[in-house]
Amino acid sequence: EAGVAQSPRYKIIEKRQSVAFWCNPISGHATLYWYQQILGQGPKLLIQFQNNGVVDDSQLPKDRFSAERLKGVDSTLKIQPAKLEDSAVYLCASSLPDSETQYFGPGTRLLVL
Amino acid sequence: GQSLEQPSEVTAVEGAIVQINCTYQTSGFYGLSWYQQHDGGAPTFLSYNALDGLEETGRFSSFLSRSDSYGYLLLQELQMKDSASYFCCLHNFNKFYFGSGTKLNVKP
Repeated sequence: EAGVAQSPRYKIIEKRQSVAFWCNPISGHATLYWYQQILGQGPKLLIQFQNNGVVDDSQLPKDRFSAERLKGVDSTLKIQPAKLEDSAVYLCASSLPDSETQYFGPGTRLLVL
Repeated sequence: GQSLEQPSEVTAVEGAIVQINCTYQTSGFYGLSWYQQHDGGAPTFLSYNALDGLEETGRFSSFLSRSDSYGYLLLQELQMKDSASYFCCLHNFNKFYFGSGTKLNVKP
């Protein structure tokens, strides 16, 4: 079974630029999560989707971050404009409904200069 | 958000047993999970406790005590490949809160 796919794996941008990350979850997983992991910290949940609906986005900085999952499968996370403090690994995870097991993708390492 | 406290670093020798603690300040949550993350890698699920008590999965066991607001991950027969960071994760309604992680160093 294929795992969670993410792209790009690495991205370097300058502050105030925009960037987008893509995630393809495991087939059949209705629940999709985006996390931000700053170096030396645990993952922080940004947004959770159930199919194409948002379950929770309380920790998403909505003035600059946006996410969508239009067809209930792939998802994109966008940052516009980026700040230095956005430098982190952005992890996508998926799970079956009502399952506690989240399967994480390899992440996108973002460096904002 | 919720606050979960873990020791930042633990060192143990190969073949030994190590316990990684996680304390939290909340009530009414669904359960506590544990994830392993190697440097540069993705977190991988290890164990989950919905109820108080011990859950055993091979060399790894996890324990939860809601009355004491803490849980732990127990790793037995440590191997070099167990050197990684370990995170507890609290599931509270639609939210998931990760601790800051414990870096486990396994020495020969």
